[in-house]
Amino acid sequence: RKEVEQDPGPFNVPEGATVAFNCTYSNSASQSFFWYRQDCRKEPKLLMSVYSSGNEDGRFTAQLNRASQYISLLIRDSKLSDSATYLCVVNIYSTLTFGKGTMLLVSP
Amino acid sequence: EPEVTQTPSHQVTQMGQEVILRCVPISNHLYFYWYRQILGQKVEFLVSFYNNEISEKSEIFDDQFSVERPDGSNFTLKIRSTKLEDSAMYFCASGGQGQEQYFGPGTRLTVT
Repeated sequence: RKEVEQDPGPFNVPEGATVAFNCTYSNSASQSFFWYRQDCRKEPKLLMSVYSSGNEDGRFTAQLNRASQYISLLIRDSKLSDSATYLCVVNIYSTLTFGKGTMLLVSP
Repeated sequence: EPEVTQTPSHQVTQMGQEVILRCVPISNHLYFYWYRQILGQKVEFLVSFYNNEISEKSEIFDDQFSVERPDGSNFTLKIRSTKLEDSAMYFCASGGQGQEQYFGPGTRLTVT
């Protein structure tokens, strides 16, 4: 049973490109939703929370569709420093359930 | 910006030995967590701790594991008798009233 499912990638994009990641979750009791990024052998770092109304933080836009149990992340104008693994995360009763992550590689 | 800190950064131990992993959560946070990540796999929840007691734990968190908040700042994870399969990165996280959780840099545990 895959609770949080993501395409592992890698997504190879040139600098300046727009890239979108998707994620689905299986537990309809999930209460809150996040995107974290993880660099190789480092800790997950909170990128943004995800709300049903959609939310934007600079070049990053996140969207949640509760009916379809689907979460997305859009990155515009990709930078080299965006290269990382992006983790889709759902919160159920204060425990975080992580997807395996989608790897993004931004090249010059 | 306040951060979660963890010590040591790397711990090597022999199978059957006890290890204690230490964490200092963000100072005004009330919720504390341990997660682990086996190399190449996803991050997995171990345990959550609030108001000086365990609030949730996963199937991974068996009798070999325990947590403690011995004073006002530290939060520890003890593995009583380590097994080879306990080798992983162990992350401590803390959270405030909101549902966001902030992770420490991790302790890499190698069991030989």
